[in-house]
Amino acid sequence: DAGVIQSPRHEVTEMGQEVTLRCKPISGHNSLFWYRQTMMRGLELLIYFNNNVPIDDSGMPEDRFSAKMPNASFSTLKIQPSEPRDSAVYFCASTLASGGTSTDTQYFGPGTRLTVL
Amino acid sequence: AQSVTQLGSHVSVSEGALVLLRCNYSSSVPPYLFWYVQYPNQGLQLLLKYTSAATLVKGINGFEAEFKKSETSFHLTKPSAHMSDAAEYFCAVTKAAGNKLTFGGGTRVLVKP
Repeated sequence: DAGVIQSPRHEVTEMGQEVTLRCKPISGHNSLFWYRQTMMRGLELLIYFNNNVPIDDSGMPEDRFSAKMPNASFSTLKIQPSEPRDSAVYFCASTLASGGTSTDTQYFGPGTRLTVL
Repeated sequence: AQSVTQLGSHVSVSEGALVLLRCNYSSSVPPYLFWYVQYPNQGLQLLLKYTSAATLVKGINGFEAEFKKSETSFHLTKPSAHMSDAAEYFCAVTKAAGNKLTFGGGTRVLVKP
């Protein structure tokens, strides 16, 4: 299994530009999570999907952030316009959540390091 | 609401010495508890998890953790530290399988030769 795949691994952009981060979850998993990691705030959950439907987006910082999951094998996190304070490592994770038979373990991708100048 | 507190943002141990990382949680329901490890420039990797079965949980790389409900703790230990254990360790809690994780602040472990 290839694991969770994220692209790009590194992104450097200028303030005001649009940034799109991509994630391919593990095949067969039905829940997907986007996290952000910074020195100041640690690991924060931004949003998660179950069966491609957003379940909880309370962690999304503001309207500049949006996330989609058009199908079970792909998700995007978009920031428009980007700001320097968005600089962080963004992780995607997936799991199989199916009640009593859930594996309940989230598998993380390698992350995307975003730098907004 | 759930929360996790990791005592000590940095821990330094000598190679061969005991590793002890502390985690306390607060949860209104019986929790699922996890320890993840993050090596430099990598994603998080599961070390072990507690899901209401045995209270002493053994994980990978010789780590184990004990769930103590009376102390609301889930401390991580390893009897003998190895240089390869240098990493950042995160304790996390969720109230339901497959649900969102709440992470502690992390503890960075330095292993001295």
